[in-house]
Amino acid sequence: EPEVTQTPSHQVTQMGQEVILRCVPISNHLYFYWYRQILGQKVEFLVSFYNNEISEKSEIFDDQFSVERPDGSNFTLKIRSTKLEDSAMYFCASRVSGQGADYEQYFGPGTRLTVT
Amino acid sequence: GQQLNQSPQSMFIQEGEDVSMNCTSSSIFNTWLWYKQDPGEGPVLLIALYKAGELTSNGRLTAQFGITRKDSFLNISASIPSDVGIYFCAGQLRETGNQFYFGTGTSLTVIP
Repeated sequence: EPEVTQTPSHQVTQMGQEVILRCVPISNHLYFYWYRQILGQKVEFLVSFYNNEISEKSEIFDDQFSVERPDGSNFTLKIRSTKLEDSAMYFCASRVSGQGADYEQYFGPGTRLTVT
Repeated sequence: GQQLNQSPQSMFIQEGEDVSMNCTSSSIFNTWLWYKQDPGEGPVLLIALYKAGELTSNGRLTAQFGITRKDSFLNISASIPSDVGIYFCAGQLRETGNQFYFGTGTSLTVIP
């Protein structure tokens, strides 16, 4: 069964450094998402991406964040200058389209980002 | 952002018991999804609901889309130890296209 994959599984970085988190969505999916989950808290929406552009973003997704689909398979989240409070689990998700059962989002296993 | 409140926050039950949890909001939602998350892993989709009043089952799990469109319910029958985890609801607002809001989660512990 196809699945969303994410790399790396764990990333440790120093405050102020740039990080890039990578995701490979399910191949026939068209909508892509990034979420974060601070330890012990709920999943929070960051951004959605469709047709090579951002379609929605939350207030968390400020100028330090950017997303890109550099080729036909990868979907990346870049944090330009990490802060301690960026430490969280980052999940990528994808879905097929925008109608009926295709609203179902499938999540990757996550990347644990630790900022020291 | 939207607030989806889940209750109870945590549950400790005996194996074999039935479980009920709910998710409520002050806003009207178009779609409700229920996910289960195991420690250190991503949420796994359990059930999706698309119409008010809809009742959908997936094995021992049954979920309902509330008539008011502001709530949803998840029931698990005859719980087993592998049901342990955190259950999240997620809703998509009627007014917006892509964003899903997640609930605060219900932590389930099943005692063998």
